[in-house]
Amino acid sequence: KAGVTQTPRYLIKTRGQQVTLSCSPISGHRSVSWYQQTPGQGLQFLFEYFSETQRNKGNFPGRFSGRQFSNSRSEMNVSTLELGDSALYLCASSLKLRVEEDTQYFGPGTRLTVL
Amino acid sequence: GDSVTQMEGPVTLSEEAFLTINCTYTATGYPSLFWYVQYPGEGLQLLLKATKADDKGSNKGFEATYRKETTSFHLEKGSVQVSDSAVYFCALTKSSNDYKLSFGAGTTVTVRA
Repeated sequence: KAGVTQTPRYLIKTRGQQVTLSCSPISGHRSVSWYQQTPGQGLQFLFEYFSETQRNKGNFPGRFSGRQFSNSRSEMNVSTLELGDSALYLCASSLKLRVEEDTQYFGPGTRLTVL
Repeated sequence: GDSVTQMEGPVTLSEEAFLTINCTYTATGYPSLFWYVQYPGEGLQLLLKATKADDKGSNKGFEATYRKETTSFHLEKGSVQVSDSAVYFCALTKSSNDYKLSFGAGTTVTVRA
């Protein structure tokens, strides 16, 4: 079974630009979560989508947004990029059926560098 | 709010040494507990998990037991290899917060040959 895939793997942008990252979950998984990883703040939850609905959101500004499509693929968008947005963005998918089966499987991440 | 505290790293060991990484948590209710590992340049891989008190998770020689009385989930391995060099994250999730993962800061482990 194919794992979680994320594209692109690396991105370089300049301040003020916007960026869109893509995540394809494991087949059959309906939940997709996004996390930001930085050396200073560690791993922080951004948001979670289930059946095209955002169900949970972390403490990030409105410049960070996302969506999920009917095939469970998800995108996240960051507008008006700031230097502090440089990070590894990780996507995770899960079945979200029961706690016992709610294991999140992570993709390799997208490394975003803002210059 | 829910939180996870891990022992500070970095940890440097020789091959075949015993590894312990301490993890304690603060959470209401009954969280599920996880250990994830991140190898250089990669995303997170699930190492093991436990969903209720006294459960023991195990994988690839690593073990951790969910101790509710001490709110702990310490990771252990009896004999480490160079290939175990990575960053290890303890994490928790709960149904009441829609299963979002709360992570510890991570512990960097380096194993020398």
